[in-house]
Amino acid sequence: GAGVSQSPSNKVTEKGKDVELRCDPISGHTALYWYRQRLGQGLEFLIYFQGNSAPDKSGLPSDRFSAERTGESVSTLTIQRTQQEDSAVYLCASSWSRDTTNYGYTFGSGTRLTVV
Amino acid sequence: SQKIEQNSEALNIQEGKTATLTCNYTNYSPAYLQWYRQDPGRGPVFLLLIRENEKEKRKERLKVTFDTTLKQSLFHITASQPADSATYLCALRNTGGFKTIFGAGTRLFVKA
Repeated sequence: GAGVSQSPSNKVTEKGKDVELRCDPISGHTALYWYRQRLGQGLEFLIYFQGNSAPDKSGLPSDRFSAERTGESVSTLTIQRTQQEDSAVYLCASSWSRDTTNYGYTFGSGTRLTVV
Repeated sequence: SQKIEQNSEALNIQEGKTATLTCNYTNYSPAYLQWYRQDPGRGPVFLLLIRENEKEKRKERLKVTFDTTLKQSLFHITASQPADSATYLCALRNTGGFKTIFGAGTRLFVKA
């Protein structure tokens, strides 16, 4: 597609439920990133995928969080047993490679998750 | 710990003036410094990247400086317009690394 697509755009869930967020990166972008943005705060790195290499999961805040990516395409971020503190906007970004050169990252519009 | 600081107070300026935003960092030796624009309800949009060996970079009405001694970057928008109103984020990344850390951003309001 023309840009990074994320779905759903909004998700309201009850505390304790599992949620799955989806990201479709730009075709040909080998690198994919997930960030979390709490209200009024900066972006918090969660996980990074590069091609078929093992992902770097060092930013995942707890074992309730996991992410997968099939090859160089779609990625899903799963949050199990959601807590109110998980409420945030989850942003996905992709780039040509881990060297962003002059292009930086291309972000999706995010999924706004509200845990009630 | 590594930290990026951007002015949390909003910057209000008059149309036509130059807006200057500041990004300071500590405990970090970035190879790349990037600036992004973020509008409400949208993801950040990449604007400019400057490398550690570059002092200044320009793109149209935008200018970025990078002082690795002061550990500071300045982001300028000349001849500002109301359409420039948005939150501007500073982001840093190490050489050979992939993890980019972002500041919380500074909100800019340009009044007509």
